[in-house]
Amino acid sequence: GAGVSQTPSNKVTEKGKYVELRCDPISGHTALYWYRQSLGQGPEFLIYFQGTGAADDSGLPNDRFFAVRPEGSVSTLKIQRTERGDSAVYLCASSHGAGELFFGEGSRLTVL
Amino acid sequence: TQLLEQSPQFLSIQEGENLTVYCNSSSVFSSLQWYRQEPGEGPVLLVTVVTGGEVKKLKRLTFQFGDARKDSSLHITAAQPGDTGLYLCAGVGGEYNFNKFYFGSGTKLNVKP
Repeated sequence: GAGVSQTPSNKVTEKGKYVELRCDPISGHTALYWYRQSLGQGPEFLIYFQGTGAADDSGLPNDRFFAVRPEGSVSTLKIQRTERGDSAVYLCASSHGAGELFFGEGSRLTVL
Repeated sequence: TQLLEQSPQFLSIQEGENLTVYCNSSSVFSSLQWYRQEPGEGPVLLVTVVTGGEVKKLKRLTFQFGDARKDSSLHITAAQPGDTGLYLCAGVGGEYNFNKFYFGSGTKLNVKP
């Protein structure tokens, strides 16, 4: 498909485990964003990439969260030592610079 | 901490009624966007307003950007059940970061048939 693809769509894990969430943006989009959304709330900014580099990672809540985009396309959000409070929908969006964000359907993370 | 506050948080109305959703901030933005999100999906862009005082119409939806580029409103005329969803405003760029999108707290709209 031509849209933003996120995998897995659902992830259930136990407290303390490591999790990776993947985002495949729209081809040619140089900017990639990660957001976290709790039920019924607006998306909370985590990090955004311009190409391969993290242009702004000020939204990452602590050092358990890390994201990479090694080749300027696919990005992976990594969460270490997961906590119950990390449970949320993690949204990825990409942009071609014209000001519109194109979102994926999100990865729902549940930490038991 | 949300830079943009939306009101009301929840709105449940009958089909055919009119409604207005507000998005307020103390920050100035380069532009402001409105997105609509349905359950299990990502937000989808409805409109972008750029100029202070700008008004844009999209069928039954009217969007306005405040003169100072800090606030916005979304008015829906004769709401329909298909309008049900989570409405999100997003401030773009401005004094913090040109390419950053700051989302509001959201307004959950339910239109009953």
